[in-house]
Parts: sequence; structure tokens; C-alpha cells
Amino acid sequence: GQSLEQPSEVTAVEGAIVQINCTYQTSGFYGLSWYQQHDGGAPTFLSYNALDGLEETGRFSSFLSRSDSYGYLLLQELQMKDSASYFCAVITGANNLFFGTGTRLTVIP
Amino acid sequence: EPEVTQTPSHQVTQMGQEVILRCVPISNHLYFYWYRQILGQKVEFLVSFYNNEISEKSEIFDDQFSVERPDGSNFTLKIRSTKLEDSAMYFCASSETGAFSYEQYFGPGTRLTVT
Repeated sequence: GQSLEQPSEVTAVEGAIVQINCTYQTSGFYGLSWYQQHDGGAPTFLSYNALDGLEETGRFSSFLSRSDSYGYLLLQELQMKDSASYFCAVITGANNLFFGTGTRLTVIP
Repeated sequence: EPEVTQTPSHQVTQMGQEVILRCVPISNHLYFYWYRQILGQKVEFLVSFYNNEISEKSEIFDDQFSVERPDGSNFTLKIRSTKLEDSAMYFCASSETGAFSYEQYFGPGTRLTVT
């Protein structure tokens, strides 16, 4: 089966940098994705890591260490609109997503 | 920009009734998925569908659930006899084929309320 752990809540100040960690245990692993979900909205894709290292997309970066079964999402220059839930998700062989428990990020002025 | 659409946005049904949730995936996508999210909880995988058959299903996807692609555009999830615990937001998603097409596009969801 799959098991993913994330902090439940994080609070950060506008303009700051925040890191959301994710550790996973899975029987099949092709990569780690991150999705953002605003209250009442659908998950939207942020990033994907198949190999070890850092992937950067604008203000967002994602890191993966396969040997440590660990990844993180880094959000820079935080904006109020970044307040949302962030889910890590492992991808199995059939392209299915198995989501973590989610981290609720609150950005304060 | 192409998007996944779902209907209805909200469905209220009585326990024991059948419901069909409808989705129109993005037109050139070949992988389709259903997920559910109980209020305040994580998104849970239900089933994936490719080439007109189920690729994988989770433990949640028992005999009460079925999926179908009745025509070239629609993708449906049927729950035969709803239970109170089926109350959740149901998301349809689709993705392109290909080894590196891991981005899944989610629809806006259908909120199912079973009374």
C-alpha cells in the first residue's frame, strides 16, 4: 500500500519562503507530484519529480530524494493567494495518484 | 484552455438510490480517473480507465461502483445503491498518454450528498 506524511498546517508571512515536507512509503513508485487545492476547488498540478534533485517552476520548486523516500515543495515570495492546501502524491505504474494528507498553508500579512 | 467538465455540480440523493456522475475529459486525453474527497480529508483514488477498460482500482471501488465511457466524450461513475458514507466530492481527472505525461487535469467536482 501507500503511505504519505505531511505536516497538517503551516503558517508563513507574505513575502517569505516556506517548505512543505513529504515522506512516503509505497510499493510502486514512479515519481512524486504536488497539487494545490483552494477551499472548494479542484486540485491543480504544480510539479512533478521522477529523479532526485530540484525542479524549479517560477516561485515554486520541488525536491525529491528517492533514497530517503522524501520530497518537499518550496514556495518563495509568498503571496496571499498561495493560502491553500498542498498535497504531495506518489505516482504508481498506472499513472494513478495516491495523495498525502495535505498541508494547509496560511499566508499572513 | 481545454478543461475537464463535470455534471451535476451538486447531487442530493436518498440512501439506496442509484446515482450517475458525469464527466467530459479533455478531448485528446486517453487516461481517465475518478477520485473522491470526503469533506476536510485527503483526495482518494477510486479508479483509472484506459483503452475502454479499468486499469486499476482501489479498495474503495467495490461492486457498488462502476465506470463507463458510453461514447467518445463522456466518462461516467455509477454508484448502484448509495450509502451515507458515499457523501463526498467526486473529482474526475484526465491525462495525456505518454511516459512523461504525469500531469492530471481535474474537473471542478460533483458534490454528492446522501441523506
